[in-house]
Amino acid sequence: KNQVEQSPQSLIILEGKNCTLQCNYTVSPFSNLRWYKQDTGRGPVSLTIMTFSENTKSNGRYTATLDADTKQSSLHITASQLSDSASYICVSYGGSQGNLIFGKGTKLSVKP
Amino acid sequence: DADVTQTPRNRITKTGKRIMLECSQTKGHDRMYWYRQDPGLGLRLIYYSFDVKDINKGEISDGYSVSRQAQAKFSLSLESAIPNQTALYFCATSDWGTSEETQYFGPGTRLLVL
Repeated sequence: KNQVEQSPQSLIILEGKNCTLQCNYTVSPFSNLRWYKQDTGRGPVSLTIMTFSENTKSNGRYTATLDADTKQSSLHITASQLSDSASYICVSYGGSQGNLIFGKGTKLSVKP
Repeated sequence: DADVTQTPRNRITKTGKRIMLECSQTKGHDRMYWYRQDPGLGLRLIYYSFDVKDINKGEISDGYSVSRQAQAKFSLSLESAIPNQTALYFCATSDWGTSEETQYFGPGTRLLVL
């Protein structure tokens, strides 16, 4: 079964600290891996998209990594800010219908 | 988010009522999608449309129907609402249809079925 699993389910960090969110996927055929940020009460917004040939991609303070061999991805947030408080959703594009398969998300809270 | 709008933003209805959620986009994209999001679950695809004449069922289409009135408009209907359809509903759009296409989501409609 195609699925995307994320950990931890939730995370609390202090402002200015770094953190790393994890994503494991079992999707076949695999095409690409995405990370979205979803603020409370808003729709998800794309942060990064990586194909199987890419190992890392950055978007400002956000850096995503992809290991296609172990089927793992991570999202590293550097020097966190209060505005980083949100849910971060890992999404895989693939499967038989070529549609998006969403993880349940990691809820990040950044405290002052 | 302003490029993809959803109406209403919040809706309370009763079991058995028919309701329609509307989505409009100004991005000029051909592809449009409807998702629902439940607490503790990932977004799940209800229906998607690759152009005005193309409608496809997603993972959880039972109890829902859609209409693609124009390239810019995609409506989701609940023919007879039931309480387990209480959820946050998102419309999304994308262009091109390549595997690297970015999906742009609307702000969501929060639906409560009593």
